[in-house]
Amino acid sequence: DAGVTQSPTHLIKTRGQQVTLRCSPKSGHDTVSWYQQALGQGPQFIFQYYEEEERQRGNFPDRFSGHQFPNYSSELNVNALLLGDSALYLCASSFPSGGYEQYFGPGTRLTVT
Amino acid sequence: AQTVTQSQPEMSVQEAETVTLSCTYDTSESDYYLFWYKQPPSRQMILVIRQEAYKQQNATENRFSVNFQKAAKSFSLKISDSQLGDAAMYFCAYQAYSGAGSYQLTFGKGTKLSVIP
Repeated sequence: DAGVTQSPTHLIKTRGQQVTLRCSPKSGHDTVSWYQQALGQGPQFIFQYYEEEERQRGNFPDRFSGHQFPNYSSELNVNALLLGDSALYLCASSFPSGGYEQYFGPGTRLTVT
Repeated sequence: AQTVTQSQPEMSVQEAETVTLSCTYDTSESDYYLFWYKQPPSRQMILVIRQEAYKQQNATENRFSVNFQKAAKSFSLKISDSQLGDAAMYFCAYQAYSGAGSYQLTFGKGTKLSVIP
């Protein structure tokens, strides 16, 4: 049973560029959440996708956007990258009847120079 | 807004001994979930244990148990018979049971646990 997978593992971008991160949920899960984890901090909720719609959003600017596909996989897009966007981006999947437990992927380490 | 506080940035424990990690939270909700996640150097966040606020009985998972004090809004994690593989960052997290916050986890800043052989 495949767990949550994310790609790429690492990414280096320049300020002002755009980036797309990808996530495939755990088998049987239909909900995907994205979190940003700055160095030395706990993860911060970015948004959650369910039925291809953004269901809830955290306190992040519109430069952060996402998408969910019919197969439940998801993308996180960040435009106009800032140095402060350097972080570990975690994807988590869940399904509504699962008691809201979220299962995390290994993350994508984004470095903005 | 809900907040989660972990007051111990770092802890250490001798192998085979017991250690307790502290967590407090603030919420106006009566129903919610609390979690402890482990993040080893591999970065993958692993669910250790979960507690539903409506359950008075403390959750246990093998060597891991919690002390849930709802009135005090305290949720500590006890690790018994500590093993080298327990060394990691431990995060306490809160999730509302319903309403606007029910889809997101709110995390504390974490406690780095070292296990001394």
